[in-house]
Amino acid sequence: LAKTTQPISMDSYEGQEVNITCSHNNIATNDYITWYQQFPSQGPRFIIQGYKTKVTNEVASLFIPADRKSSTLSLPRVSLSDTAVYYCLVGESNFGNEKLTFGTGTRLTIIP
Amino acid sequence: GAVVSQHPSWVICKSGTSVKIECRSLDFQATTMFWYRQFPKQSLMLMATSNEGSKATYEQGVEKDKFLINHASLTLSTLTVTSAHPEDSSFYICSASTYRENLYGYTFGSGTRLTVV
Repeated sequence: LAKTTQPISMDSYEGQEVNITCSHNNIATNDYITWYQQFPSQGPRFIIQGYKTKVTNEVASLFIPADRKSSTLSLPRVSLSDTAVYYCLVGESNFGNEKLTFGTGTRLTIIP
Repeated sequence: GAVVSQHPSWVICKSGTSVKIECRSLDFQATTMFWYRQFPKQSLMLMATSNEGSKATYEQGVEKDKFLINHASLTLSTLTVTSAHPEDSSFYICSASTYRENLYGYTFGSGTRLTVV
């Protein structure tokens, strides 16, 4: 499993776009990149998953460069409710029994 | 979408007693479920992998006799904290693998806050 490195914390103002970058230098060919969001006293919630280039859904975008050694989660126009911890995970998504290893995550605080 | 239901959401127990936490996949079958523990301001730590119909696989340093895991059906896994002590107080989270857009993902329960007094 590829190890991931993220900033420990970030602050941003409401209405701004927030980009959180994750480094995964040892990503394997079959690995996908997945981001989760966790609010206090709740389980993590799936945000977005990708393999390469750009993926966009209703809540976020995920940018993955050609070498795939990093990825950037982009949250458009954040609000106070986006204050949470964001985890980047890397692993193979072809099987359902792979163990997930959580890194430190990034604690995002949105300022009014 | 896939939902994993975890109960109870919080529990307070006395030292020396046992506590059971349930994790159910509501609208899908989960061959594999995972149990995590999370201390305040820390990340999730994987405790064990629960496989339906077989023994759970525990991570290094996790006492299998203290944290009993049973995965008797494709929709239910349970974690029993036996002879609980205050240091077992933590946030316990389960997850199950789900199939989404031709890829496996993981859906998490809402967690159980265990306080041992």
